[in-house]
Amino acid sequence: SQQGEEDPQALSIQEGENATMNCSYKTSINNLQWYRQNSGRGLVHLILIRSNEREKHSGRLRVTLDTSKKSSSLLITASRAADTASYFCATAALYGNNRLAFGKGNQVVVIP
Amino acid sequence: DTEVTQTPKHLVMGMTNKKSLKCEQHMGHRAMYWYKQKAKKPPELMFVYSYEKLSINESVPSRFSPECPNSSLLNLHLHALQPEDSALYLCASSQGDRANEQFFGPGTRLTVL
Repeated sequence: SQQGEEDPQALSIQEGENATMNCSYKTSINNLQWYRQNSGRGLVHLILIRSNEREKHSGRLRVTLDTSKKSSSLLITASRAADTASYFCATAALYGNNRLAFGKGNQVVVIP
Repeated sequence: DTEVTQTPKHLVMGMTNKKSLKCEQHMGHRAMYWYKQKAKKPPELMFVYSYEKLSINESVPSRFSPECPNSSLLNLHLHALQPEDSALYLCASSQGDRANEQFFGPGTRLTVL
């Protein structure tokens, strides 16, 4: 089964710096999505990039998708303390149903 | 209204209790989901309802019983749970039935004693 799978890293950065995290997956996808989760709360959808797109921006977020390498990256520019959270990528299979395959998640801590 | 609500926020139950988790959305979404999430882990899909019919059951033990009374409501009935079932239970909804972004509720923190 396909599985979005981030590099298992925890990032600790200073406010104002950029944060980059990566995600790899194994099978063909319809789209790839990024979600944020603050401690013990629900997930918030950040951005969706379709398989025919290579780059997408939303505010301070930049997502890239390389389908040949089956990988994606999420860049958060000019980080803020409020960006402290866990970030998950999730893939939707090309011929699948509603199922999203979530990656392991990256913990980002932004130090004020 | 772009919110998914879940009740209760916290639940403590014994292994012999019967309880229910509730989820509601008024976005007109026709797909609704239950996830289980353990600390520092990604959400694990449990059930998917599509147009009020159960479309995915990820081999969840029968002590978890989902119910979708109408297109806005989703319940998860709990009976004879085990301590290892303690987790954050998340409800989500999405428009249509394919590959769309999911809107999550805040979750119910369940503790089984």
